[in-house]
Amino acid sequence: EIVLTQSPATLSLSPGDRATLSCRASQIIGINSLAWYQQRPGQAPRLLIFGAASRATGIPDRFSGSGSGTDFTLTITRLEPEDFAVYYCQQYGFSPPYTFGQGTKVEIK
Amino acid sequence: QVRLQESGPGLMKPSETLSLICSVSGYSISEGYDWGWIRQPPGEGLEWVGSISQSGDSEYSPSLKGRITISVDRSNNQFSLELRSVTAADTATYYCVRILIGVAGLDHWGQGILVTVSS
Repeated sequence: EIVLTQSPATLSLSPGDRATLSCRASQIIGINSLAWYQQRPGQAPRLLIFGAASRATGIPDRFSGSGSGTDFTLTITRLEPEDFAVYYCQQYGFSPPYTFGQGTKVEIK
Repeated sequence: QVRLQESGPGLMKPSETLSLICSVSGYSISEGYDWGWIRQPPGEGLEWVGSISQSGDSEYSPSLKGRITISVDRSNNQFSLELRSVTAADTATYYCVRILIGVAGLDHWGQGILVTVSS
């Protein structure tokens, strides 16, 4: 089973700040095999980034994904009030389970 | 607009069988994509449960294998989850999802249904 470790667990920032979230896999995964999701309180998660670097439909360009191999990054260039939420990465590799990271909470400082 | 909606019981007793249905609107499940289930225990993270492909092939979480079945009802544009012999550890919000093919991403999610297992 591929384990995804997200860091930091909590990120305390102010609106307008830049957020950098990390997702590290326990083994190499394919470039197309990593996705990022945002979950606001009381809501279902929503897809932000698919295939490591492609923005999903309707996602603002302040969100970007990068990385390969075992190290992946989600960057939010200028935090808006609605961006304070929990973010999860997920790997969709060769075989199940297609695991999620434990999440990074981006909170208002 | 693609919409997914879960339905099923909110409260169950240990050892019972959980049956959830995901009704899809705005898209025919026979046209493409894979379909699946994700769950989230209260206050915790996301767990991949299982999925089913267009060809009917299913994949399940190893931790649930032997207790789980995912199937598709194309005539009603639905797919379902059956989880047998539930315990308190199965208490979670269950989400149905549409799965991109060839690239990682769950691009549409239902609103989720909270299932509580308690005696």
